[in-house]
Parts: sequence; structure tokens; C-alpha cells
Amino acid sequence: ELKVEQNPLFLSMQEGKNYTIYCNYSTTSDRLYWYRQDPGKSLESLFVLLSNGAVKQEGRLMASLDTKARLSTLHITAAVHDLSATYFCAGYSGGGADGLTFGKGTHLIIQP
Amino acid sequence: NAGVTQTPKFQVLKTGQSMTLQCAQDMNHNSMYWYRQDPGMGLRLIYYSASEGTTDKGEVPNGYNVSRLNKREFSLRLESAAPSQTSVYFCASSRGRNSYEQYFGPGTRLTVT
Repeated sequence: ELKVEQNPLFLSMQEGKNYTIYCNYSTTSDRLYWYRQDPGKSLESLFVLLSNGAVKQEGRLMASLDTKARLSTLHITAAVHDLSATYFCAGYSGGGADGLTFGKGTHLIIQP
Repeated sequence: NAGVTQTPKFQVLKTGQSMTLQCAQDMNHNSMYWYRQDPGMGLRLIYYSASEGTTDKGEVPNGYNVSRLNKREFSLRLESAAPSQTSVYFCASSRGRNSYEQYFGPGTRLTVT
């Protein structure tokens, strides 16, 4: 059974700083997702990582996947207030139940 | 293209009441899903439907039933609501098991008193 753990669960940082959110998963995952959720809103897809070594970047966010370490990271560069949100990673095991297995989310607050 | 739509947006129920949450997608997707999100938790899969006419249990199916009415619509029913079912419910869809994009609806916020 796939389990997904994120850390930290809460992060307060200042604008202009860099930081990384970590996502560990327990068994083979065919693909790894990162989502953003603003308060009271739905989930917005950020990245889908399909293979070992995959790296994707969009603006100040960069996600990577290491399938051997069962680890994905979401790196934030020179944070700005607009990036304040909750970030979820999710895995897909490919067997058994369809659907995604989510981590608990990282609540990110970026202060001016 | 509306994507994934859900009704209602908000609902308050009393313990023991029943209700159906509606979900529809206009992307001609084969797979549809129901998740619940509780405070401090990620989303958890309740049920899914890989294609019209099929449904399967996810991680937390107890207390729920689903119907895949046609390719567009996938409903979630609470037969006898309990306070533990207070949650935000998200419907999602994808082209299929091998498709890597899931599209989420806006959510239904349900409170059971």
C-alpha cells in the first residue's frame, strides 16, 4: 500500500528566501504529482513527474523526482507572498485501486 | 468547457439524513473519482469509477455509495449522514488509468450536525 509523507507540514518563511518541501513515498509509484491549494479552493495541478531524474520548473517552483530514494522535492526560489498556499504531493501506485494517494500537505506562509 | 462541476457547493445535514452529491465532467473522460479532505489531511479516495458502469472502493468507502450514471456523471450518496462525514468532498476525472492528469472540481463543503 502506497504511503506518502511530506515535510515540513508547516513552513513560515520570508520573501526572497529559498526553501525545499520534501515528499517521501513508501513503495513504487508510477508517477508523482504536486498540487497547490489556496484556502477554500480546489486543487491546482503544478507538476507531474513521470520518471527517475525528472525535473520540471515553472517560475519560482522546481520539482524533481528520485525514484531510487523514493523522494520528490519542491524547491521554491526567492519566495514571494503570492506563493503562500498549501502544497500537496501525491503518488499513483498503478496497481490496486485507481486514484491518487496524497500527503498531508505543507502549509506555506510567505511573509513580506 | 466547464471541466468538472459539483453541486451543491455547501450543505448542512442533520445526523441520519441522506443526500446525494452530484458531479459532472464535460471532457469525455473515462475515469472519475470521489475524494474527501479533512482538516490537516490530504485528500483520501472514497470511490472511483474506471469506466461507465463500473465502480470500486477506495481507501475510505464506509458510509458511502456511488453511481456512475453515464460517462459524464458520477454521484456520491450518504444514506445516513454522521458527524464523522463532515468534510470537503472533491470530485475528479481523468482520461483513464494510464492518463496522468486528474482534474478536480471545486468541492462540496458538507457539515453534519
